[in-house]
Amino acid sequence: EIVLTQSPGTLSLSPGERATLSCRASENVHSDYLGWYQLTPGQAPRLLIYATSSRATDIPDRFSGSGSETDFTLSISRLEPEDFAVYYCQQYGKSPYTFGQGTKLEIK
Amino acid sequence: QVTLRESGPALLKPTQTLTLTCTFSGFSLNTRGMSVTWIRQPPGKALEWLARIDWDDDKYYRTSLKTRLTISKDTSDSQVVLTMTNMDPVDTGTYYCARMRFLIRGVVASPYYGVDVWGQGTTVTVSS
Repeated sequence: EIVLTQSPGTLSLSPGERATLSCRASENVHSDYLGWYQLTPGQAPRLLIYATSSRATDIPDRFSGSGSETDFTLSISRLEPEDFAVYYCQQYGKSPYTFGQGTKLEIK
Repeated sequence: QVTLRESGPALLKPTQTLTLTCTFSGFSLNTRGMSVTWIRQPPGKALEWLARIDWDDDKYYRTSLKTRLTISKDTSDSQVVLTMTNMDPVDTGTYYCARMRFLIRGVVASPYYGVDVWGQGTTVTVSS
C-alpha cells in the first residue's frame, strides 16, 4: 500500500502567520487523487482540497494545495483561530486508500 | 444539503460483531458517481479506510480486514450498513461514514472529488 508521511508532526504558529504542511508518498500518486482534510474535535472531518489543488465547497482561498508525484503541500496563507486543528493528507487513487499520520497545527 | 449520520453500539465485547448504520440524505446511491465509504480512527492514531460501496453495488474492502467486513446498501431508506465480525480491543475507535463522489468521463468513473462529506462519527469501544 502507499504510505503517506506527513511533516512536521506538530506545527506551532501564531494567527496571521503562514503554515506549510508536507505530505510525502512512498510511490507516485496521481495528482487527481490526493486530498487534504481538517479534523477538529467535536466536528465532522472536513474536505479542504481534492485533486491536489482544487478547493472544496466553501473552503476559504487562504487554503491552497500543490504538488505532484510523491511530494504534496497544503498551505494556509494567514492563519485564523479556527484553523488550529489536525490535518491529514489522503491518496484515493489506489486501494487501499491511505492517510498520512497527521500534522497538528497548534497556537504558539 | 448532504448529511450523513452513523449509528451503532458504543460498547462491544471481544469476538462480538459490530453493526454500524450510516443514514444519509441530500443524495441518492442510485445516482451514478455516488459512493459511501467507512473510515475509522483508533485513539491517538491516523485515519484508516475500511470499505466502500458504489452506486452500482460494487464493493471494496481494506485487504487486511476483508474477511471480517461486509458493506451493503438499502437505497430506498438511504442507508449503508457495515458489519465487522470478531471484534477486538484494537478495533476501538471512532468510525466515520462519508460520501465519495466520482467524476464520470464517458464510461470511466474516477474518485476525483475525494471524500467530500463526512458524518460526525460514532465511538466504538471493545472491552471485556
